[in-house]
Amino acid sequence: EPEVTQTPSHQVTQMGQEVILRCVPISNHLYFYWYRQILGQKVEFLVSFYNNEISEKSEIFDDQFSVERPDGSNFTLKIRSTKLEDSAMYFCASSVDVNRAFFGQGTRLTVV
Amino acid sequence: GESVGLHLPTLSVQEGDNSIINCAYSNSASDYFIWYKQESGKGPQFIIDIRSNMDKRQGQRVTVLLNKTVKHLSLQIAATQPGDSAVYFCAEDRVDSSYKLIFGSGTRLLVRP
Repeated sequence: EPEVTQTPSHQVTQMGQEVILRCVPISNHLYFYWYRQILGQKVEFLVSFYNNEISEKSEIFDDQFSVERPDGSNFTLKIRSTKLEDSAMYFCASSVDVNRAFFGQGTRLTVV
Repeated sequence: GESVGLHLPTLSVQEGDNSIINCAYSNSASDYFIWYKQESGKGPQFIIDIRSNMDKRQGQRVTVLLNKTVKHLSLQIAATQPGDSAVYFCAEDRVDSSYKLIFGSGTRLLVRP
């Protein structure tokens, strides 16, 4: 069964450093998303991406965040200058249309 | 408002019994709803979805019921198994968004052997 894959599974970074979280969405999907989940809390929307541009972003997705689809298979989330409060699980998701987002296993980001 | 913190409502059921997990959604403009299952350390896993033009949808061992009048969604799991133990989230999508799922707070399901 096709799945969304994310790397790395765990990333530890120092405050102020840049991190790039990587995702390979399901191959025939057209919509891509990033969500995050702070430990013990609900899953929160960050950004949606379609046709090589951001469709929508939340208030969390400020200027320190960016997304890119550098080639036909990868979808990345960059955090330019990490803060302690960026520590969370980051989930990539994809969908073939505006239905049924499928999520990856997540990258646990720990900012120290 | 937002729910914050580590205390999820918990439903404890005996293996083999049926489970009912409830969710209230906030926006009457939402027209699409999904139930996700999240096991510890993993991403949300799609279970079943329903559109607002339906009030019931069945899958394998699961049924979702939608009551638009009171903005309530439920997930029924038949013959609950130990592998069903997880946190269950409902999520809604709003007609005026480009597909932005809004997740509920979640319910932890514990299945007693």
